[in-house]
Amino acid sequence: GQQVMQIPQYQHVQEGEDFTTYCNSSTTLSNIQWYKQRPGGHPVFLIQLVKSGEVKKQKRLTFQFGEAKKNSSLHITATQTTDVGTYFCAGESGGSNYKLTFGKGTLLTVNP
Amino acid sequence: EAGVAQSPRYKIIEKRQSVAFWCNPISGHATLYWYQQILGQGPKLLIQFQNNGVVDDSQLPKDRFSAERLKGVDSTLKIQPAKLEDSAVYLCASSLVSWGAGVEEQYFGPGTRLTVT
Repeated sequence: GQQVMQIPQYQHVQEGEDFTTYCNSSTTLSNIQWYKQRPGGHPVFLIQLVKSGEVKKQKRLTFQFGEAKKNSSLHITATQTTDVGTYFCAGESGGSNYKLTFGKGTLLTVNP
Repeated sequence: EAGVAQSPRYKIIEKRQSVAFWCNPISGHATLYWYQQILGQGPKLLIQFQNNGVVDDSQLPKDRFSAERLKGVDSTLKIQPAKLEDSAVYLCASSLVSWGAGVEEQYFGPGTRLTVT
């Protein structure tokens, strides 16, 4: 079945440093979503990417979808302590049930 | 708008006991999902409903897990009998997806943390 892999598993940064997490799928995706889960919380939707090569920005967050639609990345510029949490990508490979497969996530911690 | 409601928030049971979780999705959301999230991992889809019909239950351990969504609104997930490896957070999510429109964002509830001893 479809597998979605994320690296790194953990990332610790100093406040103000940049952060990037990468997501790779074993199959071509029809779309990919990103979620953030704060410690002790539940996943919260950040964004959805649909088009090959798509780039979207949300303030300090930049999301990319690869040309082959098998990989994606999330980049945070100048991290803040409020960015702490686990970032998950979730891919949907098409088909009839619109099922999302989540990666294991990247846990980001930020040292003030 | 009210979010996805789940209860209970926490549950501790002994192995071989049974347990049930309840979820009330956001009003008007046709699709409802149950996920299992083991510590340190991403959510794993157990079952997906479109209204009151099952769309995907390929990863649901059907020998011990069951779920229903009567009337296409709230849903219950049951485990009987529980095993130690069922210790996890059980997340319910809902989305507005209209069939044929593709995947839309999912709204997650706070989850139920299950500990099996």
